[in-house]
Amino acid sequence: EAGVAQSPRYKIIEKRQSVAFWCNPISGHATLYWYQQILGQGPKLLIQFQNNGVVDDSQLPKDRFSAERLKGVDSTLKIQPAKLEDSAVYLCASSRGVGETQYFGPGTRLLVL
Amino acid sequence: GQNIDQPTEMTATEGAIVQINCTYQTSGFNGLFWYQQHAGEAPTFLSYNVLDGLEEKGRFSSFLSRSKGYSYLLLKELQMKDSASYLCAVRDHQAGTALIFGKGTTLSVSS
Repeated sequence: EAGVAQSPRYKIIEKRQSVAFWCNPISGHATLYWYQQILGQGPKLLIQFQNNGVVDDSQLPKDRFSAERLKGVDSTLKIQPAKLEDSAVYLCASSRGVGETQYFGPGTRLLVL
Repeated sequence: GQNIDQPTEMTATEGAIVQINCTYQTSGFNGLFWYQQHAGEAPTFLSYNVLDGLEEKGRFSSFLSRSKGYSYLLLKELQMKDSASYLCAVRDHQAGTALIFGKGTTLSVSS
């Protein structure tokens, strides 16, 4: 089966600009996660969806980050405006259901200058 | 709160066996995962433990002791391609179902 797809793979922007990332989970996976991975660190959860509803967004910086999964399949994560400290890899993961094994996409590498 | 500790770096030679340790502190433990992450790539799932004991999968094995808050990943017959970062991640009832990751252990395998 096809894996988790993400685009773009790389993005370079200047601070205060906005950027959006897209994720297409594995077919049939109801649960979708966005993680932020700063260089040298493990991934940190930003937001979790179950179908098109938000399960956990407690660690999402809501003043600048937003995410949606309107039809319960694809998801977008947006940063507006970006800060230097947002430079990281943004990983999307999906699982068949809540609590099941998560499978990761290739990530989007963001550099904010 | 949650805390996960694993060594930052390890080195080993081809054909050897290496054990990567992970200790964790959580309020509501609900499973431990090991992921492999090659430089510039996404984490890939290696193993899952929720009960005490050893889970074996080919050259890789993972062990869990819930009473000690301890796990290890054992890699046998090391190959150069095993050079990667190994991430220990815990699922905690009180943190929902998302994973809480350690910082990862970078393993370098030399010939």
